[in-house]
Amino acid sequence: TQLLEQSPQFLSIQEGENLTVYCNSSSVFSSLQWYRQEPGEGPVLLVTVVTGGEVKKLKRLTFQFGDARKDSSLHITAAQPGDTGLYLCAGARNEKLTFGTGTRLTIIP
Amino acid sequence: DTAVSQTPKYLVTQMGNDKSIKCEQNLGHDTMYWYKQDSKKFLKIMFSYNNKELIINETVPNRFSPKSPDKAHLNLHINSLELGDSAVYFCASSQNMGYNEKLFFGSGTQLSVL
Repeated sequence: TQLLEQSPQFLSIQEGENLTVYCNSSSVFSSLQWYRQEPGEGPVLLVTVVTGGEVKKLKRLTFQFGDARKDSSLHITAAQPGDTGLYLCAGARNEKLTFGTGTRLTIIP
Repeated sequence: DTAVSQTPKYLVTQMGNDKSIKCEQNLGHDTMYWYKQDSKKFLKIMFSYNNKELIINETVPNRFSPKSPDKAHLNLHINSLELGDSAVYFCASSQNMGYNEKLFFGSGTQLSVL
């Protein structure tokens, strides 16, 4: 059973555009993490959000945890080719991390 | 120095064979994991160990047997390989077990069963 659905599954946009990736679930999570994975490498943690409604910014990336701690979003402003990769959300419940279905982002120069 | 290193990077083998993947972390972490990433890039936990003790075993077939000789190493042995075992296997570690622990991943082992 897929507990965390990400949308869109694929996204290809021009450099300089803005985008939002969503991570949705019917389950409540203690915390939620976002990772980025590049080809041939393992995922690398970008951020952890813990409190419902929490917003964290990492340069051009803005992460938000839903008020009910069931969903999250990642917004990228002025996307750059270096943002290309597979973005994975991961929710923590009962000391176990469940990964989302992934969003493959391609930024076209 | 690579924080989490796993070998081999690529593994191509025949159905029915037995193979092992090794993982080592030099971060001093207490907890290590094995994850499987399928062709659709879905990442699913297989096992987690905390201080050499098995904590999570996610309904993985008995053909998969993890072994942790010490808390810096977590190896994965697979018996009687099947076509469906083809995937990328990631080792990871974290300081402790906890709901907001940061996971550090290795670069993966791409297993192809022919």
